[in-house]
Amino acid sequence: NAGVTQTPKFQVLKTGQSMTLQCAQDMNHEYMSWYRQDPGMGLRLIHYSVGAGITDQGEVPNGYNVSRSTTEDFPLRLLSAAPSQTSVYFCASSYSRTGGSYEQYFGPGTRLTVT
Amino acid sequence: GDSVTQMEGPVTLSEEAFLTINCTYTATGYPSLFWYVQYPGEGLQLLLKATKADDKGSNKGFEATYRKETTSFHLEKGSVQVSDSAVYFCAERDSSYKLIFGSGTRLLVRP
Repeated sequence: NAGVTQTPKFQVLKTGQSMTLQCAQDMNHEYMSWYRQDPGMGLRLIHYSVGAGITDQGEVPNGYNVSRSTTEDFPLRLLSAAPSQTSVYFCASSYSRTGGSYEQYFGPGTRLTVT
Repeated sequence: GDSVTQMEGPVTLSEEAFLTINCTYTATGYPSLFWYVQYPGEGLQLLLKATKADDKGSNKGFEATYRKETTSFHLEKGSVQVSDSAVYFCAERDSSYKLIFGSGTRLLVRP
């Protein structure tokens, strides 16, 4: 198993540009989520999904869009990048949101800089 | 909303020293509690967890006890190694099953 994979590892955008951060998992996990990590603030939940076709907002959803067309993939779209979105982005997945093994498996992260 | 508070770092220790990283949470009820570790350049990995009061989670020499009376889940290790240098995150699973993370504590262990 590759686990949770994210691409790209690094990205530099100009203000106003759009892009998609890719996330995929090969563990047949129902639950997938996106976090951003900023210095001194821990990880904050952006969006999450409890299964294909179902997504919901987390703590800091503004400026981001998600979709879940398959169990494996959960891309995060930045609609119009802003310097405040400079951060490290982590995708995570777990077997079940509510029960069973709740351990979240994290991808290696994408470091995004918006100039 | 719920929150998790950890001691600020960095924590700098010599090899074989005793480690404590404090963590407190605000959730009412009995949330599940976790410690995650992030090594340089990597994502987070689950280190240990506890799901009910008085449970002790343990892994790789690290331990943490779920203390309901003090709403705490402090991380301890009796003898740290250089390879333990990382950022440690305390987290709780709230009533809607989301993970709430603390701000992280960087540990640096010197030889």
